[in-house]
Amino acid sequence: DTGVSQDPRHKITKRGQNVTFRCDPISEHNRLYWYRQTLGQGPEFLTYFQNEAQLEKSRLLSDRFSAERPKGSFSTLEIQRTEQGDSAMYLCASSLAQGLSSYEQYFGPGTRLTVT
Amino acid sequence: AQSVTQLDSQVPVFEEAPVELRCNYSSSVSVYLFWYVQYPNQGLQLLLKYLSGSTLVESINGFEAEFNKSQTSFHLRKPSVHISDTAEYFCAVSTGAAGNKLTFGGGTRVLVKP
Repeated sequence: DTGVSQDPRHKITKRGQNVTFRCDPISEHNRLYWYRQTLGQGPEFLTYFQNEAQLEKSRLLSDRFSAERPKGSFSTLEIQRTEQGDSAMYLCASSLAQGLSSYEQYFGPGTRLTVT
Repeated sequence: AQSVTQLDSQVPVFEEAPVELRCNYSSSVSVYLFWYVQYPNQGLQLLLKYLSGSTLVESINGFEAEFNKSQTSFHLRKPSVHISDTAEYFCAVSTGAAGNKLTFGGGTRVLVKP
């Protein structure tokens, strides 16, 4: 297993454009999380899925943000009408919802978004 | 809601010297505690965790952290650092709610000097 992967690793877009990021979790993991990390800060929780169900969304996730995990495997995070304040590193993590393993989240390398 | 404070944003330290990274948390319920490390240009890696049992937990590369409930702290220590320990370290807590989502501190950047 190669771990959690994210694509693209870097994205530069102009304000007002839509962007979509993809996350592929560790294959047997049924939980998938999205976090956002701005410069000099720790990651902040955005949302999580258990299988294909989105079970929690942070207030940070405005209406311009939407996340999906249609088949309970990979997930996409779309940002519509991007703003400069959306510039950040978007991190994906996965875990196995089983006993103590459920507390161990494995993170991908992140997608760095720059909105110009 | 819970919060995590890492008091030091940067810690310069000489090779083979000890280091301590401070982490304090605030929560109205019981928490589970974690330290993650982020090496340059890499993703976050779990360094160690406290879920239950012994309040002193250790990692395979010589780090240890102690859960102190009365002080609401989970400080990270290493008795002798290596150049390869240069990284950013994040303390995080989970209450077990919302799929065990993590609340992170702001991070401490450790720069090990030769």
